[in-house]
Amino acid sequence: QSVLTQPPSASGTPGQKITISCSGSRSNIETNIVNWYQLLPGTAPKLVVYSNNQRPSGVPERFSGSKSGTSASLAINGLQSEDEGEYYCAGWDGRPHGPGVWVFGGGTKLTVL
Amino acid sequence: QVQLVESGGSVVQPGKSLRLSCAASRFTFSRYAMHWVRRAPGKGLEWVAVISYDGKKKYYADSVKGRFTISRDNSNNTLYLQMDSLRPDDTSVYSCARDEGDGTYSFYGMDVWGQGTTVTVSS
Repeated sequence: QSVLTQPPSASGTPGQKITISCSGSRSNIETNIVNWYQLLPGTAPKLVVYSNNQRPSGVPERFSGSKSGTSASLAINGLQSEDEGEYYCAGWDGRPHGPGVWVFGGGTKLTVL
Repeated sequence: QVQLVESGGSVVQPGKSLRLSCAASRFTFSRYAMHWVRRAPGKGLEWVAVISYDGKKKYYADSVKGRFTISRDNSNNTLYLQMDSLRPDDTSVYSCARDEGDGTYSFYGMDVWGQGTTVTVSS
């Protein structure tokens, strides 16, 4: 059971906008930054959004992130076939009763129909 | 281009030990915190441990605390993961990853990843 909750799957057609949610709590999402990672088959994870809503250089503008309270979202505007893969939210969890830990969401498998 | 290359993965019996290495190149290794992350077959990403740039701060996932030890050698640009008392559920691909910061006050997450090395724990 992941500390950060994501839907297991999402799908869309080329050109469509999709949103992947990530639900957490005060000790993680609400008080710390959220990153999003893309996993394509056979490749190392790639950072697509950092610090809640910043896009690394080289990441297409169609990827955007947002955060509100204990939830965060990754949006892909103008879906393309090469976006098919897995997406993970992640962040620091400053647990009140123990040392902090880095946590990942359970991952969302995105299918481009 | 920044590069991280893991090594040391193998098949090992339950209860045994293994040490993984991660060789870093093309960036100033000593300025960055570093993570280990794993992925078990058919499962999602699981964070394992993180170490600050100077090795003074170390944090572990509950699932490995007391069994795994993260360390680094800044003079040789190498990150290590000592894994003791291995269990079958430690079977995973283990990847090292660079943090965006140095870990002095906080950790910002992984911005560069290696391809990983496979650890299989089985009798």
